[in-house]
Amino acid sequence: QKEVEQDPGPLSVPEGAIVSLNCTYSNSAFQYFMWYRQYSRKGPELLMYTYSSGNKEDGRFTAQVDKSSKYISLFIRDSQPSDSATYLCAMGESGANNLFFGTGTRLTVIP
Amino acid sequence: GAVVSQHPSRVICKSGTSVKIECRSLDFQATTMFWYRQFPKQSLMLMATSNEGSKATYEQGVEKDKFLINHASLTLSTLTVTSAHPEDSSFYICSARVAGKSSYNEQFFGPGTRLTVL
Repeated sequence: QKEVEQDPGPLSVPEGAIVSLNCTYSNSAFQYFMWYRQYSRKGPELLMYTYSSGNKEDGRFTAQVDKSSKYISLFIRDSQPSDSATYLCAMGESGANNLFFGTGTRLTVIP
Repeated sequence: GAVVSQHPSRVICKSGTSVKIECRSLDFQATTMFWYRQFPKQSLMLMATSNEGSKATYEQGVEKDKFLINHASLTLSTLTVTSAHPEDSSFYICSARVAGKSSYNEQFFGPGTRLTVL
């Protein structure tokens, strides 16, 4: 079983739609949960960073962590064509270096 | 700020040759850099952790004699794939952590290097 599972998509939505991206994981020691956005030929860029369970909102983006279900989500409201990218979830343990990534979900927002 | 560059962005080489990939933090110092590898349709996987002035720490299953890492300064780490073979073809990406910081959100990624071994 992989440490982190993420549906690779691709996912296509019309402009203005709400996008829901999800990851599940198996390691209960994960405490830090991140979402990265990666444009073509660019490195991953940190979007959201959360510690333990709960919600975090930043503009049109909301990250949710449910540690009891080992499930994390990223919601994008009022999606824009510029949101078209690959979104990677990543997680790590406290005091460790290693980040465990999902495979990434490729999102296209159609104007 | 917090820009990480990689060079080259793409390299094609013959089997048996060695390839060096550079990772630079352009506007900050990084005592720790990380090297990841991503095969098609798979996750980014950590290969090794590179610490300035000391030996790199390799993840299980990664051959240290094949993937040579040198972190000679606070802004540069290099990964050399020695005697490359077609199965080494992959996307190699580095990240750099801001000196003095220990949290995941102080890690910044480079744009990656696509290696193709013929």
